[in-house]
Amino acid sequence: EAGVVQSPRYKIIEKKQPVAFWCNPISGHNTLYWYRQNLGQGPELLIRYENEEAVDDSQLPKDRFSAERLKGVDSTLKIQPAELGDSAVYLCASSLGGAETQYFGPGTRLLVL
Amino acid sequence: DQQVKQNSPSLSVQEGRISILNCDYTNSMFDYFLWYKKYPAEGPTFLISISSIKDKNEDGRFTVFLNKSAKHLSLHIVPSQPGDSAVYFCAASANSGYALNFGKGTSLLVTP
Repeated sequence: EAGVVQSPRYKIIEKKQPVAFWCNPISGHNTLYWYRQNLGQGPELLIRYENEEAVDDSQLPKDRFSAERLKGVDSTLKIQPAELGDSAVYLCASSLGGAETQYFGPGTRLLVL
Repeated sequence: DQQVKQNSPSLSVQEGRISILNCDYTNSMFDYFLWYKKYPAEGPTFLISISSIKDKNEDGRFTVFLNKSAKHLSLHIVPSQPGDSAVYFCAASANSGYALNFGKGTSLLVTP
């Protein structure tokens, strides 16, 4: 069974540019999560979806970050405009439901110059 | 404020010996705990979990112990193998599986 798929794996952009990350969860997983992992830290939740509904976006910096999961399957996370401090690894995870084990994708490593 | 703490950034163990990784938490509402293993340039891989109604869970060479009164859990790997060398993250959540709160990780090196 395929795991969580993310693209791109790496992205280098200049500050103030937009960037988007894509995630395809494990088939049948209704819950999707976006986490950000800064260097030397553990992942921190940005947003959680139950199907197409964002049920927890309290940690998402809404002035520059946006996310969507239009058909309740794959999801896109966008940053516009990017800042130097946004350099991090962006991880997508999915689970069968909100109370199930989360499985992570390989992440997108973002570098903002 | 860090609610999940892994106070040892690194650990080195000889192959065949036991590896013990420790984790402390501060939030008494946490009721579900997980360990993830992470290799460089990969996402975290689920290893083992335990709910607050148990004090031990075992899966092959991996055992997790939970001490709720001390708000402490540990991961034991016996015997340790070189392929176990990775960063291990402790994670916890309230309401059994919603947003995970992660520690900063412990880098384990198993030497031949």
